[in-house]
Amino acid sequence: QKEVEQDPGPLSVPEGAIVSLNCTYSNSAFQYFMWYRQYSRKGPELLMYTYSSGNKEDGRFTAQVDKSSKYISLFIRDSQPSDSATYLCAMTRPAGYALNFGKGTSLLVTP
Amino acid sequence: DAGITQSPRYKITETGRQVTLMCHQTWSHSYMFWYRQDLGHGLRLIYYSAAADITDKGEVPDGYVVSRSKTENFPLTLESATRSQTSVYFCASSEEAGGPHLYEQYFGPGTRLTVT
Repeated sequence: QKEVEQDPGPLSVPEGAIVSLNCTYSNSAFQYFMWYRQYSRKGPELLMYTYSSGNKEDGRFTAQVDKSSKYISLFIRDSQPSDSATYLCAMTRPAGYALNFGKGTSLLVTP
Repeated sequence: DAGITQSPRYKITETGRQVTLMCHQTWSHSYMFWYRQDLGHGLRLIYYSAAADITDKGEVPDGYVVSRSKTENFPLTLESATRSQTSVYFCASSEEAGGPHLYEQYFGPGTRLTVT
């Protein structure tokens, strides 16, 4: 079993919908959590970075971490066709440096 | 332009040939990483480097060699390419230890390598 699990989708939603993307993990030492967005044939782009549990909001994006359940989420409000991409969760432990990635969820937002 | 660049962007090579993928960053980040991305596996770490002349293996290092003589460059060499090394390779960097953004990694655009 991989340390980080992520449903690959694809997930298709209409423009304006609220999108929920999720990852689960098994290593309780993970404390730093990230979400990356990857457009087709491009490198991953850092979207959100959170430490430990709680919520973090940045514009239409909200990252949520529940360490007790080993579960992280990314919410996208008012989704746009430009949000169509693959979303990767990543996490690491203190002094771990190397990120542990989920396999990514493919999102399609239709006009 | 500032940032992280990779070259070549596309490469086709034959089995058994040596191939070097280049990575260059202009942020003076201490840490640099090489990942490969494959369908069904996601991103997997090949090697990483904490500073010039300091490198360490990641999850899938076999068949790869790295060096880091200068902080800004981190080349990845496939000593004798195999078909299983057909993949998209990403270089990434993050700032020095102790900084508030240590765990934020910034990725290059990738090199798409095909081994025939």
